[in-house]
Parts: sequence; structure tokens; C-alpha cells
Amino acid sequence: QVQLQESGPGLVKPSQTLSLTCTVSGDSVTSGGYYWSWIRQPPGKGLEWIGYIYYSGSTYYNPSLKSRISISVDTSKNQVSLKLTSVTAADTAVYYCARGSMVGNYFFDYWGQGTLVTVSA
Amino acid sequence: DIQMTQSPSSLSASVGDRVTITCRASQTIDNFLNWYQQKAGKAPKLLIHAASSLQSGVPSRFSGSGSGTEFNLTISSLQPEDFVTYYCHQSYSVPDSFGQGTKLEIK
Repeated sequence: QVQLQESGPGLVKPSQTLSLTCTVSGDSVTSGGYYWSWIRQPPGKGLEWIGYIYYSGSTYYNPSLKSRISISVDTSKNQVSLKLTSVTAADTAVYYCARGSMVGNYFFDYWGQGTLVTVSA
Repeated sequence: DIQMTQSPSSLSASVGDRVTITCRASQTIDNFLNWYQQKAGKAPKLLIHAASSLQSGVPSRFSGSGSGTEFNLTISSLQPEDFVTYYCHQSYSVPDSFGQGTKLEIK
């Protein structure tokens, strides 16, 4: 059974860098055909796709956040990481990691439970 | 970027009712449309992928239809646990985008 678990600080100060880790179990982050994604949800609002890293290492980021995002993998720990720089209160959200599977179509079939990150001084 | 417009944003219904939620894309997305269910405080759960393919383990009262720019999620007979929030998601082109959500409420 594939499981994803996000971890990281729950509170980040404005202008600092948000760093989260997603630990994957039951699958390998280098398995072919998967897009390891980050998605966020501000409190009481909808879902926003942040970006993904493909198993090959290629990345694609949401243009609205592109200049501030970095997604990487640590194959030795089977983890996917997200860094978001220069955060503001608008970056306060529950951050989810999810596995994107390509079976004809492409969809998120496994999600972490999410971690709330609050940006505040 | 592709914009996804979901309607209605909220819907009041009763147990046993049949309901339909609609998602419209700002341009054609073929069948690259997925539906998720989200319970309060939980991660979204995949219900339907490729517009009409039921994800394994999802009850058959959920069904999806459509292609191109207009898609529907239908729940044939609402159960108490279905009164939560639903999102559509286009994966036709990056950046991926989601509808704004539809909250199902008990009448």
C-alpha cells in the first residue's frame, strides 16, 4: 500500500523559506511513470497545484509560483521535498504531496494527509 | 492556462436524491478530467479519472460523463457520507487546475 507523509515546520516567518518533505512508502520515487506533486489549499478555500517532479528528475512548476519554488527528490530516503522562498501570509495553507499516475489519463491516486503551514511573524 | 468552472458551488439535497455537479473547461481538455471527494480536514480522494472511469473501491453510485469542455459528476442515490465537497481537476495541460469546489449539504 502506497503511503505519503508530509513533514516540516508548521510556522514560518514572512520572507523566509518554507521547506517540506514528503516521505513515500510502498513505492519508489524513481518508479517509472509517476509525477510526485505538491498541491496546497488555503484555509477554507480550494486546491492549487504547485508543481511536480517526474521520476526522471524533470520538474514543472506553476507559473504563478515558479520563481519561488523548488522540488527535488532524495532517492536514498525515498523523499520528495518542496522549498518555497520569500513566503507571505498568502502562502498559509495545508500542503499536500500526491502521486500523479499516468494510466492513459493523469490523476492523483495517492495523497498525504496534508500539513498546515502558517506564515506569521 | 486552463480555467475550470464548477457549478453549483453549493447544493442542498436529501438522502436518496440524484444529483449532478458540472465542470466546464475554458478550452477543450479531451477526457483529461478527474473528480475528487474531500471530507473536512482530510486529503482529497480520487473518485473518477479520465472523465468516466470509476476508481477502484469507489461505490458505483458515483459516475462521470463528458468530454471536450463540459463534464458531469453524478451521484445516483445520495448517502449520508456523501455530503462533503467535490472538486474537478484537469490534467490535459500544465499547470494543472482545479474547479473551485462544490459543497453538498443536507436539505
